[in-house]
Amino acid sequence: EPEVTQTPSHQVTQMGQEVILRCVPISNHLYFYWYRQILGQKVEFLVSFYNNEISEKSEIFDDQFSVERPDGSNFTLKIRSTKLEDSAMYFCASSAMGQNSNQPQHFGDGTRLSIL
Amino acid sequence: RKEVEQDPGPFNVPEGATVAFNCTYSNSASQSFFWYRQDCRKEPKLLMSVYSSGNEDGRFTAQLNRASQYISLLIRDSKLSDSATYLCVVNIPGNQFYFGTGTSLTVIP
Repeated sequence: EPEVTQTPSHQVTQMGQEVILRCVPISNHLYFYWYRQILGQKVEFLVSFYNNEISEKSEIFDDQFSVERPDGSNFTLKIRSTKLEDSAMYFCASSAMGQNSNQPQHFGDGTRLSIL
Repeated sequence: RKEVEQDPGPFNVPEGATVAFNCTYSNSASQSFFWYRQDCRKEPKLLMSVYSSGNEDGRFTAQLNRASQYISLLIRDSKLSDSATYLCVVNIPGNQFYFGTGTSLTVIP
């Protein structure tokens, strides 16, 4: 069964540094998402991406964050000037279709980001 | 007001029991609804989509009540492997997905 893959599985970074989290969505999917989950808290929507542009973003997704699909397979989340509170599990997801379709999202295993 | 609300539990039930979870959502324009399960420190995995007419998948039954804006999940004949956190997910217009905080279930031998 095709799956979403994320790398690295764990990223440890000094506060203030930039990180790039990578995701390879399922190949025939068109919609891509990033979520974060702070330890012990709920999964929070960050951003959705379709047709090479952001379709929606939450209040969390401020200027510190950016997403990119640099080639036909990768979907990246960049976090600039990381803060301690950015420590969380970051999940990438993809779906074949977007809203109104009842198409579910398939999640990657996540990248655990630890900011020191 | 939270977009999606769930009773966090925990629900501790014996094997074989029937257990039900509810979830309420605030945006009446919400379009799609799902139940996911999440094991400790793992990614959310789709359990089932929730259709307007209600739907069943083996021991799992999902219901949607648009008038009251709630979704339910019923698990019959609970198994030890059902122990997990169950996440209610709602898709609002604009392609945003909101997760509930999750309901913790432990099935006891």
